[in-house]
Amino acid sequence: DIVMTQSPDSLAVSLGERATINCKSSQSVLYRSSNKNYLGWYQQKPGQPPKLLIYWASTRESGVPDRFSGSGSGTDFTLTISSLQAEDVAVYYCQQYYSSPPAFGPGTKVDIK
Amino acid sequence: QVQLVQSGAEVKKPGASVKVSCKASGYTFTSYYMHWVRQAPGQGLEWMGIINPSGGRTNYAQKFQGRITMTRDTSTSTVYMELSSLRSKDTAVYYCARVSGPSPHLDYWGQGTLVTVSS
Repeated sequence: DIVMTQSPDSLAVSLGERATINCKSSQSVLYRSSNKNYLGWYQQKPGQPPKLLIYWASTRESGVPDRFSGSGSGTDFTLTISSLQAEDVAVYYCQQYYSSPPAFGPGTKVDIK
Repeated sequence: QVQLVQSGAEVKKPGASVKVSCKASGYTFTSYYMHWVRQAPGQGLEWMGIINPSGGRTNYAQKFQGRITMTRDTSTSTVYMELSSLRSKDTAVYYCARVSGPSPHLDYWGQGTLVTVSS
């Protein structure tokens, strides 16, 4: 099974500043024939279900603000919030779907400093 | 618009079974796979399994093999997840989530169903 890890566990960022979350998979999630990374990012606010932000590692889901961006390939990925807003306080999860079981990372909690 | 509406909260005793429903609307039910994901209080997301609403084929996480069953009813556009031999560690919010069209990720989620296992 592919194991997902995230760092840091939590971070506090001032409003308007950049937040960076890292995600690492225990093996590559790059499907070479399609050149797509089977990696997504989700945002979960308290009391709500997760919301898909990014898929294929860097493609923003429709309606997601462009301050959210994803990057990386193979085993190392990053979610960046370029200018943190109050409504971005949440837990962020990465998930691989390269192989079953489609594991989630443990999550990174983002707060306002 | 796409909606996934789950059944209400449940309280069960250890050893009992629970069956959670997820009614889909706003899209062609048989065209999109459905996952079940759970989240224990204060914890992360745990994948439980997937069902193809078209043919009913399932794939379960090894952890739940033998005590989980996912089914669907195409006449009502509803998927079901039944978990048996419940223990206190099964206390969690259970979510259904639809597979996206352009990618294998999960684009629509149900509101969640809290299952509490307590004697």
